[in-house]
Amino acid sequence: TQLLEQSPQFLSIQEGENLTVYCNSSSVFSSLQWYRQEPGEGPVLLVTVVTGGEVKKLKRLTFQFGDARKDSSLHITAAQPGDTGLYLCAGTSGSARQLTFGSGTQLTVLP
Amino acid sequence: KAGVTQTPRYLIKTRGQQVTLSCSPISGHRSVSWYQQTPGQGLQFLFEYFSETQRNKGNFPGRFSGRQFSNSRSEMNVSTLELGDSALYLCASSLPTSGGGADTQYFGPGTRLTVL
Repeated sequence: TQLLEQSPQFLSIQEGENLTVYCNSSSVFSSLQWYRQEPGEGPVLLVTVVTGGEVKKLKRLTFQFGDARKDSSLHITAAQPGDTGLYLCAGTSGSARQLTFGSGTQLTVLP
Repeated sequence: KAGVTQTPRYLIKTRGQQVTLSCSPISGHRSVSWYQQTPGQGLQFLFEYFSETQRNKGNFPGRFSGRQFSNSRSEMNVSTLELGDSALYLCASSLPTSGGGADTQYFGPGTRLTVL
């Protein structure tokens, strides 16, 4: 069974601060996705990374896929209250179509 | 284009009952996956349907079943409900593209099931 561990589990910061969320596994993933989920809604895809060492930027969000494709990070610069939500990483391995999700990081950005 | 819709949004049942949840994928999407989300276990894959056939199955007991219709709409059924089945059940649809690997999945808002 492939596991994805996310840290931290909870994060509460002030508006304007920077933060990093980590997603780690002992398994290699062919692709890794990051989602954000808000209360009462399903997860919304933020980004997909597929190449080891890949870095993708989405406005204030920077996503990195580890060289060995076993880990990933999400960095948010100058966090805003609108960034509040549950951040989930999810990976796929080989030809498997189903996603294996991490446990999630609940982020709260205080105004 | 309308997103993934799930009905009902909220459901309360008692132990031993059965329940059927419905999912309508995005128009043109042919693959539907179901996930269970709980505070303790997080998001766990239940099964995936494509062209009315179950293509993948997660590690859940046989009480959990599903099906897909010719219009790609999908239902999942849970029989003999247990307290531990209380969860948010999410449906996700995707095109999918040819070949292996995950396709971009678009999630619905979920059905919140409470078992008393």
